[in-house]
Amino acid sequence: DQQVKQNSPSLSVQEGRISILNCDYTNSMFDYFLWYKKYPAEGPTFLISISSIKDKNEDGRFTVFLNKSAKHLSLHIVPSQPGDSAVYFCAASARRSGGATNKLIFGTGTLLAVQP
Amino acid sequence: ETGVTQTPRHLVMGMTNKKSLKCEQHLGHNAMYWYKQSAKKPLELMFVYSLEERVENNSVPSRFSPECPNSSHLFLHLHTLQPEDSALYLCASSPTGLNTEAFFGQGTRLTVV
Repeated sequence: DQQVKQNSPSLSVQEGRISILNCDYTNSMFDYFLWYKKYPAEGPTFLISISSIKDKNEDGRFTVFLNKSAKHLSLHIVPSQPGDSAVYFCAASARRSGGATNKLIFGTGTLLAVQP
Repeated sequence: ETGVTQTPRHLVMGMTNKKSLKCEQHLGHNAMYWYKQSAKKPLELMFVYSLEERVENNSVPSRFSPECPNSSHLFLHLHTLQPEDSALYLCASSPTGLNTEAFFGQGTRLTVV
């Protein structure tokens, strides 16, 4: 059973517009959420994160929103740029379950294409 | 430069071969991970190593054998793999502690023939 779901395998957006990537989760124990970006032939790189005590975190063009009651988070990129074209992975972890390490559970990813 | 280096980048091996994947991190982290990425599937956590714990995913077949000689190095020993084991194998490291992100290497693209 997939605990982190990204239901849109792909998204196409015009340059300068807003990109909205969505992620749903099922495990209510998750308390830390991250977005990673992956280019072909490279490993994922960390983009932005949010703790469950917040509902919004912003870093430049990137904003992550968390709706705990709906178990939903989204990543907004505005304005979108062609260099943002990549696969975006949503990930979650449950620190409250114990352990000192970050056992991230990932979604399947969404391929974002930003058209010039 | 991600701070996490994986070798080799590409590996083709037969089902009777034995090979090892290597991961080295230069970030001073004390937790390291192996993930597997198959086509159209989520990244799957295979193994976790830290000073405090070692976690093995019980669904990972015994033909995958991890080794962590110190906090900077992690190996994944492979033997008698199957074609369905072909995937991108990603190593990651992180600090231990609350709300920390994992840093990934570039991965090893493994093809089992």
